[in-house]
Amino acid sequence: ETGVTQSPTHLIKTRGQQVTLRCSSQSGHNTVSWYQQALGQGPQFIFQYYREEENGRGNFPPRFSGLQFPNYSSELNVNALELDDSALYLCASSLGTGSSGSSGYTFGSGTRLTVV
Amino acid sequence: QQQVKQSPQSLIVQKGGISIINCAYENTAFDYFPWYQQFPGKGPALLIAIRPDVSEKKEGRFTISFNKSAKQFSLHIMDSQPGDSATYFCAASRWADYKLSFGAGTTVTVRA
Repeated sequence: ETGVTQSPTHLIKTRGQQVTLRCSSQSGHNTVSWYQQALGQGPQFIFQYYREEENGRGNFPPRFSGLQFPNYSSELNVNALELDDSALYLCASSLGTGSSGSSGYTFGSGTRLTVV
Repeated sequence: QQQVKQSPQSLIVQKGGISIINCAYENTAFDYFPWYQQFPGKGPALLIAIRPDVSEKKEGRFTISFNKSAKQFSLHIMDSQPGDSATYFCAASRWADYKLSFGAGTTVTVRA
C-alpha cells in the first residue's frame, strides 16, 4: 500500500509568480485535502476535493485554487505569490470526506515553498 | 481566529519522565479531538484521538485526558523516550467534518 506522495519536496519562487504543487493520494482513498503550515504554526485548512469538485474551503483567497483528477490525485495552484505564502503545504488523503478516526486523514510529507 | 490553543510551545523532559501538553477549544460543537505527531521532514501522523463520551483514553504510553466542562484536553506521554522527540499537535473538529482545526504545536525534546 503506497502512502501519500507530494512533489516537489522543495521549491523557491519569486513574488508574483505562480506555482503548482502535486499530490498522489494513498491507494484506496478518494478525497484530498490541502493544508498550509507556516513555520512554527499548526496546519491551516485550505480546501478539500471530493469527486473532482471542491467540497469545502478555509479562509484563503481565490488565488489559491485546486484540481482533482479521475485517479484522485490533486493539484494546488497559487497565483500571484506573496512572501507570506512561504510555508509547508501538506496534502492529506482520506476515504470519504471526513477527517475523523481511522478512516480519516493520511498526510504526505509536504512541499516546502519559499517565496523570495 | 485560532479555534484551538495549545501550550507549552516547547518542553524538554528527561528519558523516563512524563510530558504533558495542554489544549483548549472554543467551539462547543467540536466532538472529535485527535493528537498528531510530526517528525522533521514528515507530515503529521495520527497518534491517538478521543471523543467527549469518555474522560480518558490510553494507548500504550500515550494518554488523552478530556474535560468537557472546561473545554480542555491534554496529552500525557509516560516513560518518555528519545524516539518521542517530535512536534505534537492537538486538533479538533465535528465528527466526520471535512476539516480539522489544529493547535500551534508543541516541540518535545527527550534527553537521554
